[in-house]
Amino acid sequence: EAGVTQFPSHSVIEKGQTVTLRCDPISGHDNLYWYRRVMGKEIKFLLHFVKESKQDESGMPNNRFLAERTGGTYSTLKVQPAELEDSGVYFCASTHTPGTVNTEAFFGQGTRLTVV
Amino acid sequence: AQRVTQPEKLLSVFKGAPVELKCNYSYSGSPELFWYVQYSRQRLQLLLRHISRESIKGFTADLNKGETSFHLKKPFAQEEDSAMYYCALRPVIGQGGKLIFGQGTELSVKP
Repeated sequence: EAGVTQFPSHSVIEKGQTVTLRCDPISGHDNLYWYRRVMGKEIKFLLHFVKESKQDESGMPNNRFLAERTGGTYSTLKVQPAELEDSGVYFCASTHTPGTVNTEAFFGQGTRLTVV
Repeated sequence: AQRVTQPEKLLSVFKGAPVELKCNYSYSGSPELFWYVQYSRQRLQLLLRHISRESIKGFTADLNKGETSFHLKKPFAQEEDSAMYYCALRPVIGQGGKLIFGQGTELSVKP
């Protein structure tokens, strides 16, 4: 079974530019999550999709961040315009439908974003 | 407020020594607790969960609701245990939902 895949693995952009991160969850996983780890700090929740709907976006830092999951498959996270404090590692995770036996979260390898 | 605290940023032990990575949480309900591990150049992966009550790679963790702790223990550390360990909380047992992570503890096992 293919795991959670994230693209790109690294991205270096200038302040003010736009970057789009992509996450392909495990096939059949309705739940998709975005997290971020800023250097030296804990991994923080950004938002949660159930299929194509945003279930919880309480962790999104501000309106420069836009997440989509059209068709309920892969998701994109766009940062526009990027600021220096957006640098960090962005993780994506997916899980089976809540209430089933196994709700383990499977993580992607992360996208390291550096804003200069 | 929901919070997970891992007081040690770095824990260094010698091979064969016991190891305990501390985790305390604050949550008013009955959360689900996890330990995730990230080995060098690998993705974050589940190590164990309190519901399973199992031992993985020799590690165990017991949920102590009185002390709101979920410390990770291993009696004899191995060099391959060197990694970043994250304690995490999911607010509702059995439901999908966001994970709340601690700051992480880097475990270094020296030969």
